[in-house]
Amino acid sequence: DGGITQSPKYLFRKEGQNVTLSCEQNLNHDAMYWYRQDPGQGLRLIYYSQIVNDFQKGDIAEGYSVSREKKESFPLTVTSAQKNPTAFYLCASSLAEGYEQYFGPGTRLTVT
Amino acid sequence: GESVGLHLPTLSVQEGDNSIINCAYSNSASDYFIWYKQESGKGPQFIIDIRSNMDKRQGQRVTVLLNKTVKHLSLQIAATQPGDSAVYFCADLTGFQKLVFGTGTRLLVSP
Repeated sequence: DGGITQSPKYLFRKEGQNVTLSCEQNLNHDAMYWYRQDPGQGLRLIYYSQIVNDFQKGDIAEGYSVSREKKESFPLTVTSAQKNPTAFYLCASSLAEGYEQYFGPGTRLTVT
Repeated sequence: GESVGLHLPTLSVQEGDNSIINCAYSNSASDYFIWYKQESGKGPQFIIDIRSNMDKRQGQRVTVLLNKTVKHLSLQIAATQPGDSAVYFCADLTGFQKLVFGTGTRLLVSP
């Protein structure tokens, strides 16, 4: 099946620990994105990548880091510097700029 | 700043009725809009899109209308089914690579 996978579906961490969320796509898309979703709010862009080995900060990049070493993969690290990390994290990809974005199933991160 | 918003947070309809979900946008330069459906605990799913050179676009049981004069778009779902219950987002592809999302409208379909 073609698509975007995120793992794990649920993730629990203690405060002060870094955690990495996985995102993989086999759609041969150049662009990939990470969003954060909080209850009652729309999606907010954390980071995006137009092409391998390149990425840019979105609206709420503080406390997060990414890498894009392979076209298929765009992992997101939630660092201990992120003040309010508990949220639903969504990864997306698109063929290129200006094309529709396809979303993964999401990872719900809970930090206590 | 530029924004995309939804008029109603919750819409309740009876099964078989038609549903209309509205969305307003403020960026007059916006030229590409997408409607997404998001079920609880899942990622958003693409429903239909429309570009600014069109006023209307139809899919299977769904129609999107775009009124550029008043910067408004709507999603119409015909013969709404219980499986249509979800949160619906409109999104505006504004700026570089970024979708601007509204907060969403929850559609509740009762039998």
